[in-house]
Amino acid sequence: DAGVIQSPRHEVTEMGQEVTLRCKPISGHNSLFWYRQTMMRGLELLIYFNNNVPIDDSGMPEDRFSAKMPNASFSTLKIQPSEPRDSAVYFCASSPTVNTEAFFGQGTRLTVV
Amino acid sequence: AQSVTQPDIHITVSEGASLELRCNYSYGATPYLFWYVQSPGQGLQLLLKYFSGDTLVQGIKGFEAEFKRSQSSFNLRKPSVHWSDAAEYFCADSGGGADGLTFGKGTHLIIQP
Repeated sequence: DAGVIQSPRHEVTEMGQEVTLRCKPISGHNSLFWYRQTMMRGLELLIYFNNNVPIDDSGMPEDRFSAKMPNASFSTLKIQPSEPRDSAVYFCASSPTVNTEAFFGQGTRLTVV
Repeated sequence: AQSVTQPDIHITVSEGASLELRCNYSYGATPYLFWYVQSPGQGLQLLLKYFSGDTLVQGIKGFEAEFKRSQSSFNLRKPSVHWSDAAEYFCADSGGGADGLTFGKGTHLIIQP
């Protein structure tokens, strides 16, 4: 298996634009997580899915953020409109079940100017 | 909800010296504990995990960790570090529940010649 695949690896966008981050989890994994990493706040869990269903989105910073998982092999994290304070590295991770080890993608480095 | 504390933000160790990185967890029941390593520009890689059983667990790259319930600790150790071990190290806890992984703030390991 190729592991968790995220795209794009880098994204630079202007404030106010819509940004969509994509993730393909490891085949057979039932749980998918979106994390955000910044120097100030470290790794924050934004949302996670179990069997394609969002379970906990309490970490999503505000309504500008939304995430979907239309099927077991694909998830998106969308920011609309984007703001400079959204600049961070966004990681997607998947795991066989929600409380076992998570396997991380390489991350998407987002810069909002 | 569980929380994880890594008291050391930075640690500097000479190459060839031993290493111990500290981690304390807060969840009272059976914790599921993990150590991850992150090299610059990369995602997180699992070093080792503890669910139950032997409290001394072995991981990849020569790392080990010991679970001590009485101290609520899960410290990571390596007998002799190599320059390639320079990275950010994260301790995480899933609490054995359905909340996903909670990460500590990380410890930045610097290796000096």
